[in-house]
Amino acid sequence: KQEVTQIPAALSVPEGENLVLNCSFTDSAIYNLQWFRQDPGKGLTSLLLIQSSQREQTSGRLNASLDKSSGRSTLYIAASQPGDSATYLCAVSGGSSNTGKLIFGQGTTLQVKP
Amino acid sequence: NAGVTQTPKFQVLKTGQSMTLQCAQDMNHEYMSWYRQDPGMGLRLIHYSVGAGITDQGEVPNGYNVSRSTTEDFPLRLLSAAPSQTSVYFCASKRGKALNTEAFFGQGTRLTVV
Repeated sequence: KQEVTQIPAALSVPEGENLVLNCSFTDSAIYNLQWFRQDPGKGLTSLLLIQSSQREQTSGRLNASLDKSSGRSTLYIAASQPGDSATYLCAVSGGSSNTGKLIFGQGTTLQVKP
Repeated sequence: NAGVTQTPKFQVLKTGQSMTLQCAQDMNHEYMSWYRQDPGMGLRLIHYSVGAGITDQGEVPNGYNVSRSTTEDFPLRLLSAAPSQTSVYFCASKRGKALNTEAFFGQGTRLTVV
């Protein structure tokens, strides 16, 4: 059964710092991995999608990497800003399931202090 | 771009009442799904559909019904609400067969059953 873990559960950093959020999964037979942002009381906003054949994806100050063989992904946020404060979720699609189902981690709640 | 639209945003039900959570997408996506988000449990798949007229159960389907009469709409019905169904519900859609495409989420419906 696919399990997704995100460490740390919470992170507080000063503005301007570069940071890395971690996501690990137990079944390497995935189709893709997606990073989302969730603001309090809001929906999920897709940040980056990495296909299983890709090593990384970049969007602005965000860079996501994928090492499928080791079951790990990282989300790198450069020059963090208070507006980056949110919960970041990673989710994988695939594994033993072909239903298109996403398996989510519990999320990392990020606070960027001015 | 409306994307995925969910209504209502908030709802309070009494135990035993029924209601329908609405979900509509304007991206012509074949795949639609419903998740619930609970503290400590993350997001879990309730039901999904790979196209009009086709639905299937997810991880936690009990107490919920769905139908998919059009590509655009995927309503979630609670037949007899229970306090255990207090949660935040998210609808999501994906293009095509959904095995490796990007998921887009609605803003959520926050449901309280008293």
